[in-house]
Amino acid sequence: SAVISQKPSRDICQRGTSLTIQCQVDSQVTMMFWYRQQPGQSLTLIATANQGSEATYESGFVIDKFPISRPNLTFSTLTVSNMSPEDSSIYLCSADRVGTEAFFGQGTRLTVV
Amino acid sequence: AQTVTQSQPEMSVQEAETVTLSCTYDTSENNYYLFWYKQPPSRQMILVIRQEAYKQQNATENRFSVNFQKAAKSFSLKISDSQLGDTAMYFCAFNYFGNEKLTFGTGTRLTIIP
Repeated sequence: SAVISQKPSRDICQRGTSLTIQCQVDSQVTMMFWYRQQPGQSLTLIATANQGSEATYESGFVIDKFPISRPNLTFSTLTVSNMSPEDSSIYLCSADRVGTEAFFGQGTRLTVV
Repeated sequence: AQTVTQSQPEMSVQEAETVTLSCTYDTSENNYYLFWYKQPPSRQMILVIRQEAYKQQNATENRFSVNFQKAAKSFSLKISDSQLGDTAMYFCAFNYFGNEKLTFGTGTRLTIIP
């Protein structure tokens, strides 16, 4: 497995603003993913971050709200745009190589006030 | 689409006892992987154990083992000699071979009582 550094670890943001979360892997990986974990809930996949092309979003998630970048094989960002209190969640970055298990960053606890 | 069901929202056991967490899933595919992840209060998702669907032998990792029943689509986790550090949320998860995105169950909150 590899090590993922995710930051910030937590933030409190005003509604209407945007927050960008960064995910850095210590080695090249094939796939990178972004998940959301709402309070007391399970993890839901937001999108697959594709290197050099637009992310692939799951049903219920759109690029305007959650723009994602992946400029290379070790780095990705997720932006939560125009935030509302309903966006308060833990956001987790995940990565893996084909045929191996996924490993996760430490998560970002976002509170929108 | 595949679904993963964990029917036990919460469980608690005495330290050193054995506990089994249940998981069932639904898929029409034949090639897939199943996982148990642990999420302690630190939020870090930690892989506990992984099972390839094509393997008949149940996976084991030290005190952790699974009972994989492919025909019944059941994948339970047994924790032996439970320790206080096992206190966490446990998520069962699934992905297809060649498609790395995970589908998670709703989780079981496990508390180990001293």
